[in-house]
Amino acid sequence: DTAVSQTPKYLVTQMGNDKSIKCEQNLGHDTMYWYKQDSKKFLKIMFSYNNKELIINETVPNRFSPKSPDKAHLNLHINSLELGDSAVYFCASSQGWGPESPLHFGNGTRLTVT
Amino acid sequence: DAKTTQPTSMDCAEGRAANLPCNHSTISGNEYVYWYRQIHSQGPQYIIHGLKNNETNEMASLIITEDRKSSTLILPHATLRDTAVYYCIVRAQYGNKLVFGAGTILRVKS
Repeated sequence: DTAVSQTPKYLVTQMGNDKSIKCEQNLGHDTMYWYKQDSKKFLKIMFSYNNKELIINETVPNRFSPKSPDKAHLNLHINSLELGDSAVYFCASSQGWGPESPLHFGNGTRLTVT
Repeated sequence: DAKTTQPTSMDCAEGRAANLPCNHSTISGNEYVYWYRQIHSQGPQYIIHGLKNNETNEMASLIITEDRKSSTLILPHATLRDTAVYYCIVRAQYGNKLVFGAGTILRVKS
């Protein structure tokens, strides 16, 4: 069973469109994250949710809106897509908020904006 | 979060131990050392973490110097499937985000 799963795996869309990426974890964790990996391969945190509440928002444009319907899900909605949004987006989860809890990542969603 | 310094790349022969160094000279007493790896086209994979003591699990061993200013990740018997980018991360006690650097590209060769 996949612990952290993301859908879709690939997403190709045009500029100006609105799209969503879904994430689900079956680990029973209460903290979830979104990371972005750009073309230079640097991984940067975007958001973190703990028990469905937003904890971290790393100055991400407000076109990006995470939504957590329950502790097992953290979806990412992106409005008015731009070319610069092309990247691989990773969802992750951890048990708890503390630094002793490892993050477990999904296998990513490759978003291509044309 | 304290900054880490890793070599850009390393090679290792298959079956031999891979020793990946990491410097974190500005680490503070309550910060953890984490290691992750990313195999091509996959998400980052957790390997191991520690605070002060050396740690071992089924994947690797983590050796942290007594002054905590550096650490070494040891893969005891590297295989071709261990070829990946390895990230050493210092994680603060408060605020739970992982800050990834450039990492070390480990190439295991037959």
